[in-house]
Amino acid sequence: AAGVIQSPRHLIKEKRETATLKCYPIPRHDTVYWYQQGPGQDPQFLISFYEKMQSDKGSIPDRFSAQQFSDYHSELNMSSLELGDSALYFCASSSIKDMNTEAFFGQGTRLTVV
Amino acid sequence: AQTVTQSQPEMSVQEAETVTLSCTYDTSESDYYLFWYKQPPSRQMILVIRQEAYKQQNATENRFSVNFQKAAKSFSLKISDSQLGDAAMYFCAYRTRDDKIIFGKGTRLHILP
Repeated sequence: AAGVIQSPRHLIKEKRETATLKCYPIPRHDTVYWYQQGPGQDPQFLISFYEKMQSDKGSIPDRFSAQQFSDYHSELNMSSLELGDSALYFCASSSIKDMNTEAFFGQGTRLTVV
Repeated sequence: AQTVTQSQPEMSVQEAETVTLSCTYDTSESDYYLFWYKQPPSRQMILVIRQEAYKQQNATENRFSVNFQKAAKSFSLKISDSQLGDAAMYFCAYRTRDDKIIFGKGTRLHILP
């Protein structure tokens, strides 16, 4: 069965650079979530989209932005990167319409800022 | 605001034994979903089990079962016949009405051979 695909799996950037993380949800899933998990931390909710509209916003810095496209894939754009942005970034998808209430997670993108 | 609390940062269990991971939550909602996710060393998040709050029957998935006490806002995970592959970080999670998932701090489970 198709799963949530995230790319890239690993990314190394320098401070003040920009990074773009991509997430391809499970087909027919209408909701995408982004989470940030620092070393030894629990996942922190950043932002979510339902039917291409932002549905909720968590602790996402102003330097970050995200959007969901017409094909339901989502991109997390991170600018002016800081050392503290180094983390594992998860994308998850679910389907509210199908009452499928599990969120299926991608394998994550490990971002290292040097 | 909803919160999820896992009071056991680490636990150990002998292989083939049974272990229970605790989770409590706070909410004013009456209808919601609860989940346990497993995060092995690969760091992937894997759904273990889910529970709908409106269902009184405790969810079960093979060796994994929950003890859901709605009035007490408790949602513990029982792992029977523990296996080495069960070693991981376990996160309890709550899904809010506006579809945000809130995680507890996690419990690291060690399996002793």
